[in-house]
Amino acid sequence: DQQVKQNSPSLSVQEGRISILNCDYTNSMFDYFLWYKKYPAEGPTFLISISSIKDKNEDGRFTVFLNKSAKHLSLHIVPSQPGDSAVYFCAASALQGAQKLVFGQGTRLTINP
Amino acid sequence: DVKVTQSSRYLVKRTGEKVFLECVQDMDHENMFWYRQDPGLGLRLIYFSYDVKMKEKGDIPEGYSVSREKKERFSLILESASTNQTSMYLCASIPGPGTGAFFGQGTRLTVV
Repeated sequence: DQQVKQNSPSLSVQEGRISILNCDYTNSMFDYFLWYKKYPAEGPTFLISISSIKDKNEDGRFTVFLNKSAKHLSLHIVPSQPGDSAVYFCAASALQGAQKLVFGQGTRLTINP
Repeated sequence: DVKVTQSSRYLVKRTGEKVFLECVQDMDHENMFWYRQDPGLGLRLIYFSYDVKMKEKGDIPEGYSVSREKKERFSLILESASTNQTSMYLCASIPGPGTGAFFGQGTRLTVV
């Protein structure tokens, strides 16, 4: 049972435009959500997170939106840059317990010049 | 800066071998995790530990075991490596509730 889903395996965006990556979840008990970026042969690096009590969090070019009623979150990158080309993982966790992260399948973002 | 270090970047092992993957973190985090990453499947949790000598199974523990004798070190053991364990293995640690995990650089394991 996939609790966190990223339904788009890949996304291609022109440099300078907005990239929108989507993520859906099924477990209402998740307390916070995170986005990670991963380059080949490297570990994931943390990008941005959002608490379940908020609907938006912004950090520079990155903004995460949370729609709790729809159990949906999205990551907006604007403007997109060639260095943003990577695999992006959505993750979710609960505050109780060991705070283990549940990941989506990932979306490969390609920024075209 | 938090550092999570995995002992090897690349490993090639034979079927049936016992394999040890080591992970060390330098920030006194209590919670540590082992994931594997496979194309189209994302990161799947194998085992995690919330204290020394404490461990719990994740979503795909079969064929693996773990050891945490010291707080900073969390080892993943493949008891008898099989070809379906060829994967990218990622170790992570978490400072506390509501924060993201810090990942090591990953170990690309190939079982032949």
